[in-house]
Amino acid sequence: EAGVVQSPRYKIIEKKQPVAFWCNPISGHNTLYWYLQNLGQGPELLIRYENEEAVDDSQLPKDRFSAERLKGVDSTLKIQPAELGDSAVYLCASSSGTSGDQETQYFGPGTRLLVL
Amino acid sequence: AQSVTQLGSHVSVSEGALVLLRCNYSSSVPPYLFWYVQYPNQGLQLLLKYTSAATLVKGINGFEAEFKKSETSFHLTKPSAHMSDAAEYFCAVSAAGGFKTIFGAGTRLFVKA
Repeated sequence: EAGVVQSPRYKIIEKKQPVAFWCNPISGHNTLYWYLQNLGQGPELLIRYENEEAVDDSQLPKDRFSAERLKGVDSTLKIQPAELGDSAVYLCASSSGTSGDQETQYFGPGTRLLVL
Repeated sequence: AQSVTQLGSHVSVSEGALVLLRCNYSSSVPPYLFWYVQYPNQGLQLLLKYTSAATLVKGINGFEAEFKKSETSFHLTKPSAHMSDAAEYFCAVSAAGGFKTIFGAGTRLFVKA
């Protein structure tokens, strides 16, 4: 079974430029998460989707960040414009939502963003 | 609300020695507790989880953790460290049956030959 796929793995951009990250969750997983991981810190939730609905986006900085999961499968996270402080690793995770394992999240390898 | 505190941002052990990574949690509702491991340039991988069944939980790679409600702890142990255990370890908590997971800041484990 393929794991969570993320692309690109690395991205270097100049400040004020836009950037987008893509995530394809494990097949059949209804719940998708985007996390921000700063250096030396644990992941912090940005947004959670149940199918195509964003059910928790309270920590998403909506002035510059946006996300979508139009068909309830893959998802895109966008930053526009990027700031120096956005340099971090962006992790995508998914979970099955089935009883007994809904709480286990499976993580992708992340996208490491560097804003210059 | 939930929170997690991992005691010690860095832990160093010799190969073959006991590994003990400490985690204390705070939760106003029955918690689910997790340990994840992260190797360099990779995502997080689940080591083990507690979901209100047995308090002693066994995970992958010889790790185990014990849920102690009276101490609000969920420490991770392994009897004998291996070089391949060198990684970052994250403790996490969520509300039982819930989806929002709070991660600790992580503990980096170094294993000396």
